[in-house]
Amino acid sequence: QKEVEQDPGPLSVPEGAIVSLNCTYSNSAFQYFMWYRQYSRKGPELLMYTYSSGNKEDGRFTAQVDKSSKYISLFIRDSQPSDSATYLCAMSANTGGFKTIFGAGTRLFVKA
Amino acid sequence: KAGVTQTPRYLIKTRGQQVTLSCSPISGHRSVSWYQQTPGQGLQFLFEYFSETQRNKGNFPGRFSGRQFSNSRSEMNVSTLELGDSALYLCASSLEQSSSYEQYFGPGTRLTVT
Repeated sequence: QKEVEQDPGPLSVPEGAIVSLNCTYSNSAFQYFMWYRQYSRKGPELLMYTYSSGNKEDGRFTAQVDKSSKYISLFIRDSQPSDSATYLCAMSANTGGFKTIFGAGTRLFVKA
Repeated sequence: KAGVTQTPRYLIKTRGQQVTLSCSPISGHRSVSWYQQTPGQGLQFLFEYFSETQRNKGNFPGRFSGRQFSNSRSEMNVSTLELGDSALYLCASSLEQSSSYEQYFGPGTRLTVT
C-alpha cells in the first residue's frame, strides 16, 4: 500500500464547476500537507500548504485536512480552462529529516 | 527573484553512460531536493542536501548520487545508465531543511536513455 493515494483521473468538468480533488494517506506522522499544480512539460508549482488539520483558503482554492480520517482535499471554485493541469498532493513529516511524499497526481480538464 | 534553474533541459544518453545534472536554487535557499518523475511511478524523492550535506535519501540504488556546493548549487549524477532511468528529473529548493513544505521546483531535466 502506498503512503499517499490519489486517484489519477482524468477528471473532466465544465467551466465554472466546483472541483474536488482528494488524497488519503496512511502515515499519521505527516504534519504538512501541500498541493501542487503541474502543467504539461513544466515543474510542479506550489499552490498552498496546510499545517495539521483545518482549512485554508486562497482565492478560488480551498485546502482541507482531516487528520482523524487521514484525508485531504483541494476545492477549486469557478473553475477555468486555465486550471486544466495535473494536481499533486504532497505530505511531509520530520522523521529525523524531512521527506516529502507525493501522490500520483490527478489530471484535471476544464472544458470551456 | 529568479526561480530554480536546471541545466540541461533535455538530454539523450546511451545505456551504460553516466550523466550529471545541475540545479541552481532560488537565491537564499539552502535546501535542495531531487526527484524523479515517471508516468508509472510519479514523483519519487531521490535525496535532499542542506549545508553541503546529504540529509535524507530515498530508495534509489547507489548509481544515483549528488552533492551540494557552498553556494547551495547542487548536482546529481547517475552512473551506468539503464533504460528505466529515462525520466524527468526535478530539483526543488526551500529556505531551510525544516521548510520542505514550501518547495519551489525547477522546470526539470528530461533524460532519455536509449
